[in-house]
Amino acid sequence: GAVVSQHPSWVICKSGTSVKIECRSLDFQATTMFWYRQFPKQSLMLMATSNEGSKATYEQGVEKDKFLINHASLTLSTLTVTSAHPEDSSFYICSAPSRGAGNTLETQYFGPGTRLLVL
Amino acid sequence: QQQVKQSPQSLIVQKGGISIINCAYENTAFDYFPWYQQFPGKGPALLIAIRPDVSEKKEGRFTISFNKSAKQFSLHIMDSQPGDSATYFCAPMVRGYQKVTFGTGTKLQVIP
Repeated sequence: GAVVSQHPSWVICKSGTSVKIECRSLDFQATTMFWYRQFPKQSLMLMATSNEGSKATYEQGVEKDKFLINHASLTLSTLTVTSAHPEDSSFYICSAPSRGAGNTLETQYFGPGTRLLVL
Repeated sequence: QQQVKQSPQSLIVQKGGISIINCAYENTAFDYFPWYQQFPGKGPALLIAIRPDVSEKKEGRFTISFNKSAKQFSLHIMDSQPGDSATYFCAPMVRGYQKVTFGTGTKLQVIP
């Protein structure tokens, strides 16, 4: 199956600093990728849709200036958490859809996640 | 986002038993019904999925049952094993629209 990687797998930073998380589709191209946030024992909440060559689309309540998304190529999307604060500590997961029969987008392939801890 | 509700929230099953997790949705436009399995500290992985033109799909020990009129689908894990202990999410979607709506999650623990 398709593989999506994330880097780093975990990061600890001081409050006020910025952190960049990379999401790569290793063996397929993805014009669209998704970024999720997951708090302990909770479900995944969609933060934004990353679109190659255009601006990201953010879900309601997600600050676009705080969570900067750049889809630099057909295999790379980055999420930058700017001026991170302790409440930004979470598990961040990206995904990229694959194409099924009829060229429709079905299965989402998820990265292994990035655990962010802001001190 | 449309609501997607899972039940139960948590489940403890003895090894060899049957685990059943249910998912109820509201959006009648959904036309693809996957279940994802997530282990602690890992991203979710597709377990099994069904399209609405069939009522049941079986892959090994995992079966999806789909009830279109009730707007529900369920995951059955036969002969549950300790290695199945994980959190399971239903994530119905509209094919081609790409966005996935995750259910609330069910933590399964299979005890020896």
